[in-house]
Amino acid sequence: DTGVSQNPRHKITKRGQNVTFRCDPISEHNRLYWYRQTLGQGPEFLTYFQNEAQLEKSRLLSDRFSAERPKGSFSTLEIQRTEQGDSAMYLCASSFFHKNTEAFFGQGTRLTVV
Amino acid sequence: DQQVKQNSPSLSVQEGRISILNCDYTNSMFDYFLWYKKYPAEGPTFLISISSIKDKNEDGRFTVFLNKSAKHLSLHIVPSQPGDSAVYFCAAISGSARQLTFGSGTQLTVLP
Repeated sequence: DTGVSQNPRHKITKRGQNVTFRCDPISEHNRLYWYRQTLGQGPEFLTYFQNEAQLEKSRLLSDRFSAERPKGSFSTLEIQRTEQGDSAMYLCASSFFHKNTEAFFGQGTRLTVV
Repeated sequence: DQQVKQNSPSLSVQEGRISILNCDYTNSMFDYFLWYKKYPAEGPTFLISISSIKDKNEDGRFTVFLNKSAKHLSLHIVPSQPGDSAVYFCAAISGSARQLTFGSGTQLTVLP
């Protein structure tokens, strides 16, 4: 296991189209997080899973966004009816359950909505 | 409302000298703090962390200092190396979700 893997690395889509991203976390990690990063800013929390349960969602996560983590393994993040404001780097991270432990990030998916 | 602030967007340091990156926070509920390093086109990489019950943590060339009364933390890199050139993010954790709240980052450039 070489770390957190995200696919695709880059996605260009037309406004109004739906897109889906995939994240494969480090296998023994039971927590999985999605973050979004725009230019000049730090990553912003979107949502997190503990095993297969989605336990928290940020108010940044509009109704057009949905995330799943079936069977507590990989996760998908879908954006419906994309808008230009959705253009960003989408980062996935995973960690152990323990209270104070670092999260390990994937390389991210760069989304460009044209 | 930015709960974690990095007020210096950039910092340049000569190779071999000390780099000091600063971070301020406003949320008293933060109980764990981390520094991440990010190279272009890569995800953030964990560097070092500190619990709110400590005031210093050291790992090789990297030391993080926490001043809870001032709500301030800093990362010291000694000696700085050209490979340290990257964007450094300060992050803080609170709550049961243990999600990270990031600052906006500081671009460190170490000059040979």
